Amino acid sequence: AQRVTQPEKLLSVFKGAPVELKCNYSYSGSPELFWYVQYSRQRLQLLLRHISRESIKGFTADLNKGETSFHLKKPFAQEEDSAMYYCALRKAAGNKLTFGGGTRVLVKP
Amino acid sequence: NAGVTQTPKFQVLKTGQSMTLQCAQDMNHEYMSWYRQDPGMGLRLIHYSVGAGITDQGEVPNGYNVSRSTTEDFPLRLLSAAPSQTSVYFCASTGGSGNTIYFGEGSWLTVV
Repeated sequence: AQRVTQPEKLLSVFKGAPVELKCNYSYSGSPELFWYVQYSRQRLQLLLRHISRESIKGFTADLNKGETSFHLKKPFAQEEDSAMYYCALRKAAGNKLTFGGGTRVLVKP
Repeated sequence: NAGVTQTPKFQVLKTGQSMTLQCAQDMNHEYMSWYRQDPGMGLRLIHYSVGAGITDQGEVPNGYNVSRSTTEDFPLRLLSAAPSQTSVYFCASTGGSGNTIYFGEGSWLTVV
């Protein structure tokens, strides 16, 4: 069975500092990896998916199949980046998402 | 095009009461699902449906029922609420370009 691990429950950084959220997964096949963001009491919004290789709101993430990781990075954090971030995995051609436990990011002024 | 609509947004129940969380989507998606969100545990799949008339259990189905009589609606029923069901519930609909997942706004449920 697939599993997603986000080792940090809370990341606190100062505005302008780099931020990296770790995500590791275990799955024997070819997964689709996602990052979702949830601002206070709002719905989950898709931030990134690995197949699109986009940069959204300054965030990037690279799938490293050798290390089974999909870490999320931003070089200069902004206060509006304060939110809950979830890494999620979906089997290729599947529909079910498996989520990590989430990382709360707090960007201090 | 409203996307995924969930009601109610907030609800307080007494132990043993029953209730239904409503979920509707207007994107004609076949696949819909319900998740619960708990601190430190991320979102866990409760039930899902691959089309009208077809439902199946997810990771944490106990205490919940679902039905899918139409493509648009996928209600989640709590048969006899327990404090352990205090959580935030998200409905999701999947489809379209890239098989994108769309989430509802969430339903905050407290069982006392």
